[in-house]
Amino acid sequence: EPEVTQTPSHQVTQMGQEVILRCVPISNHLYFYWYRQILGQKVEFLVSFYNNEISEKSEIFDDQFSVERPDGSNFTLKIRSTKLEDSAMYFCASERESAGNEQFFGPGTRLTVL
Amino acid sequence: ELKVEQNPLFLSMQEGKNYTIYCNYSTTSDRLYWYRQDPGKSLESLFVLLSNGAVKQEGRLMASLDTKARLSTLHITAAVHDLSATYFCAVDASPQKLVFGQGTRLTINP
Repeated sequence: EPEVTQTPSHQVTQMGQEVILRCVPISNHLYFYWYRQILGQKVEFLVSFYNNEISEKSEIFDDQFSVERPDGSNFTLKIRSTKLEDSAMYFCASERESAGNEQFFGPGTRLTVL
Repeated sequence: ELKVEQNPLFLSMQEGKNYTIYCNYSTTSDRLYWYRQDPGKSLESLFVLLSNGAVKQEGRLMASLDTKARLSTLHITAAVHDLSATYFCAVDASPQKLVFGQGTRLTINP
């Protein structure tokens, strides 16, 4: 069964460093998402991406964040200068088409900022 | 702004018992999702509810949606230990954004 994959599973970085989190969505899906979950808290929407551009973003997704689909398979989230409060689990999700189809989530990348 | 609230946030129950988790949301939406999350793991899709009155069942879990009341329920029948997990409801705030509830941490004791 097709699934969303994410790498790395765990990333440790120093405050101020740039990180890139990678996702490979399900191959025939058209909509891509990033969410984050701070330990023990709820899942929060960051950004949605369709047709090579951002569809919607939350207030968390400030100019330190960017997303890219550099080729036909990968979908990346970049944090330019990490802060301690960026420590969280980051989930990528993909969806075949909008309007009611379910989003399938990847296994997540645990980001730890020291 | 859409708010999604789950109740209860923590639930400890005995095997064999029945219980219900409630999910209320603040603005109109016709689409609601239930996910399961095991500790340190990702979100597993359980149910997609797309219309008022929708009811779906899988094993010991049954989910329903009342869009007029802005309420969804996840009912657990004759709980077993394997159902211990955190359960999240999520509502479409727009076609491409899910807003999640706080999660209900369910512990089922033998």
